[in-house]
Amino acid sequence: GAVVSQHPSRVICKSGTSVKIECRSLDFQATTMFWYRQFPKQSLMLMATSNEGSKATYEQGVEKDKFLINHASLTLSTLTVTSAHPEDSSFYICSATDYDHIYEQYFGPGTRLTVT
Amino acid sequence: AQSVTQLDSHVSVSEGTPVLLRCNYSSSYSPSLFWYVQHPNKGLQLLLKYTSAATLVKGINGFEAEFKKSETSFHLTKPSAHMSDAAEYFCVVSVRRRDGSSNTGKLIFGQGTTLQVKP
Repeated sequence: GAVVSQHPSRVICKSGTSVKIECRSLDFQATTMFWYRQFPKQSLMLMATSNEGSKATYEQGVEKDKFLINHASLTLSTLTVTSAHPEDSSFYICSATDYDHIYEQYFGPGTRLTVT
Repeated sequence: AQSVTQLDSHVSVSEGTPVLLRCNYSSSYSPSLFWYVQHPNKGLQLLLKYTSAATLVKGINGFEAEFKKSETSFHLTKPSAHMSDAAEYFCVVSVRRRDGSSNTGKLIFGQGTTLQVKP
């Protein structure tokens, strides 16, 4: 099946700094990528939808200036958490899909962000 | 609008006994439904999907689910639990456009069910 990778798998940053998370589709061209966050013992919440070459669409309540998403190529999307605060600590998961798999998303392994 | 409700937050079974994880859905249109599994600190793996074909869907690792429109349910079952099945399971529905014409590509996740398998 299709493979999606995320980097880094874990990151610790200080409050006020920014951190970038990469999501890559390794063996297919991802026309659409999604970013989720998951708090401990909770479900996944969609943050934004990212289409290659266009601006991301954010879900209600998600600050677009705080969570910057770039989808510059068909294999890479990045999420930058700007001016991170401890409450941004979470598990961030990306997924990707293409026109041939509109019913299915392929998920990355996730990135554990801890803000101290 | 579409939604899914997982009826149990935690299910505990003994190894070798059947597994039943319950999910009810709400949708104005024929839904696309999925079950995903998440092992600790890992990404999600697709177990199976229903997209309006056969109502009994077989997935990986011996799991299957039956789409029952009359009950608006999509319960996940497995005849015999294995220790490696211990994980978090999510019932998921695909979001359709308001006119029901096609999927948006977005997914809505249930709250999850933690499956514990006792030796």
